[in-house]
Amino acid sequence: GAGVSQSPSNKVTEKGKDVELRCDPISGHTALYWYRQSLGQGLEFLIYFQGNSAPDKSGLPSDRFSAERTGGSVSTLTIQRTQQEDSAVYLCASSLAMGGSQPQHFGDGTRLSIL
Amino acid sequence: DQQVKQNSPSLSVQEGRISILNCDYTNSMFDYFLWYKKYPAEGPTFLISISSIKDKNEDGRFTVFLNKSAKHLSLHIVPSQPGDSAVYFCAAPNAGGTSYGKLTFGQGTILTVHP
Repeated sequence: GAGVSQSPSNKVTEKGKDVELRCDPISGHTALYWYRQSLGQGLEFLIYFQGNSAPDKSGLPSDRFSAERTGGSVSTLTIQRTQQEDSAVYLCASSLAMGGSQPQHFGDGTRLSIL
Repeated sequence: DQQVKQNSPSLSVQEGRISILNCDYTNSMFDYFLWYKKYPAEGPTFLISISSIKDKNEDGRFTVFLNKSAKHLSLHIVPSQPGDSAVYFCAAPNAGGTSYGKLTFGQGTILTVHP
């Protein structure tokens, strides 16, 4: 399809394990964003990429979270030593370019459950 | 500090009537606003946007109004249809700085349109 693709769609894992979430943006989109939505909460910004670089990592909740993007395309969000409070839906979005007037197009998210 | 607020958690409307969803913001630096619609288990879908140089933008059944002096915007859906039932988020991107384009979302309003 032509939209943003995220995998896996669901992930259940035990506390303390590492998880890796993947995002395939829309082809040609240079900007890529990660958000998360915890139960009963709004969407919370985590990190964004312009090309392969991430100018602002201040939204990452802790140093257990990291993200990278390679080839200006696929991005992975890694959570090490998962905790129960990491349970949330992790959403990826991409846009044609940086800037507020460029609508961000979202994937369907990865629902992460930490037991 | 909640920079974008949607004070109504839910709204129920009869099919064919107008739905009005409201959003307030506190950051006067915001110069662009977007509305997203979200169905369960799907990512948010971009609906309509407005630049701060305008006070109205219309797209089919959807119209967004912006009152800059009141820091208030609203989304009007007329006529409402059962398929419009979803969660609606208003969002504003950072206008500059290292987090240029980062979206700040409201908490969302659940719209239910009854047949």
